[in-house]
Amino acid sequence: QLQLQESGPGLVKPSETLSLSCSVSDGSISSSTYFWAWIRQPPGKGLEWIGNLYYSGSTHYNSSLRSRLTIAADTSKNLFSLRLNSVTAADTAIYYCARGVFGVVMGYHFDFWGQGTRVTVSS
Amino acid sequence: IQLTQSPSFLSASVGDRVTITCRASLDIKNYLAWYQQKPGKAPQLLIFAASTLQSGVPSRFSGSGSGTEFTLTISNLQPEDFATYFCQQLSSNPPFGGGTKVELK
Repeated sequence: QLQLQESGPGLVKPSETLSLSCSVSDGSISSSTYFWAWIRQPPGKGLEWIGNLYYSGSTHYNSSLRSRLTIAADTSKNLFSLRLNSVTAADTAIYYCARGVFGVVMGYHFDFWGQGTRVTVSS
Repeated sequence: IQLTQSPSFLSASVGDRVTITCRASLDIKNYLAWYQQKPGKAPQLLIFAASTLQSGVPSRFSGSGSGTEFTLTISNLQPEDFATYFCQQLSSNPPFGGGTKVELK
């Protein structure tokens, strides 16, 4: 069964860069059938989509984060990463990685999720 | 495309039939998914394509609707179903509804 595992620092200082990785096991991130995503959840709030990474290496980012965000794959390690620059307290959240599945015609959904990693932005 | 989920909170008892609604601001055909999230856990996919039950999900969960109005129904609510439920649509920004927390009455 596919498993995703987030890793990275739990505490980041304001104005610094948040870096997270998502290791994928029992599945290849190079498969064209799926895409890979980062989603976050601020404390006590709902889900916020961050961005998608496709097997071609192309990306699709949340417009509100685009200027600070990079999502990339490391196919040699079968993982994908997130880098978010110039973080503020508003970036404090649980960060999830997930696998996306395209619908038969259109649409998509996320069928596997990592357990999430809590990131706090504070000095 | 905006998703409006209602209600935001719902109090129910074990054995109840519960209905949660998700309304889209534009026609999204059947491109809607539902997730369940328990405290401290990642969301889990329940239903995709509006009405297709994800493998392993109990049959008391069902989804219906198309176009702009969708419902998630939980028949015979079980103790493990008290959780928060999110809908998600095909547009990526933003894809998720605001959530519905189902609490014990």
